[in-house]
Amino acid sequence: AQSVAQPEDQVNVAEGNPLTVKCTYSVSGNPYLFWYVQYPNRGLQFLLKYITGDNLVKGSYGFEAEFNKSQTSFHLKKPSALVSDSALYFCAVRPSEDTDKLIFGTGTRLQVFP
Amino acid sequence: DTEVTQTPKHLVMGMTNKKSLKCEQHMGHRAMYWYKQKAKKPPELMFVYSYEKLSINESVPSRFSPECPNSSLLNLHLHALQPEDSALYLCASSQSTQTGIGETQYFGPGTRLLVL
Repeated sequence: AQSVAQPEDQVNVAEGNPLTVKCTYSVSGNPYLFWYVQYPNRGLQFLLKYITGDNLVKGSYGFEAEFNKSQTSFHLKKPSALVSDSALYFCAVRPSEDTDKLIFGTGTRLQVFP
Repeated sequence: DTEVTQTPKHLVMGMTNKKSLKCEQHMGHRAMYWYKQKAKKPPELMFVYSYEKLSINESVPSRFSPECPNSSLLNLHLHALQPEDSALYLCASSQSTQTGIGETQYFGPGTRLLVL
């Protein structure tokens, strides 16, 4: 079955420290991978995506993600967290180009403390 | 501009009411989506329209009726809803579903629906 896993319900980090939000996937073909962020009572904002090419993808607001095919992971990272980064983060995969569906992970709540 | 707009922002309706949610984008996207999101859960796909034709219906109950009048507009007509239908309804759009490229879906802010 095609799926996305976000193993941590919540990640806590101090402001200024690096952050990592984990995502692993299971698809049969070459995946298209996405990260979205959702602030309270808002829609999802696109952060970045991996389609092909460089394994390190840079996105909005200083976020980046590293695609690791052997570990089937696509972890979201940021070198220095801000309190304003506190939000709900979703990893998603489009399993192949033949489907319009996005499969979302269960979400990880990031809490950045001052 | 990657803006998708949704109206209304909030909606309260009774189980016998008929209401509609509206979604609009002016990015020239040819694919539009409806999602349902319960609190602290990921979005769940309901419908996909591609080039104004319904391409995916995720076995959604008939009390939800989508409509795509043109390439910029997407409606979701609601009738005889149940309290468990209360949720955030998100609209999204993407360039196309047929390019074979990992198209990004851009989301609107959502309509928060409460069914009494």
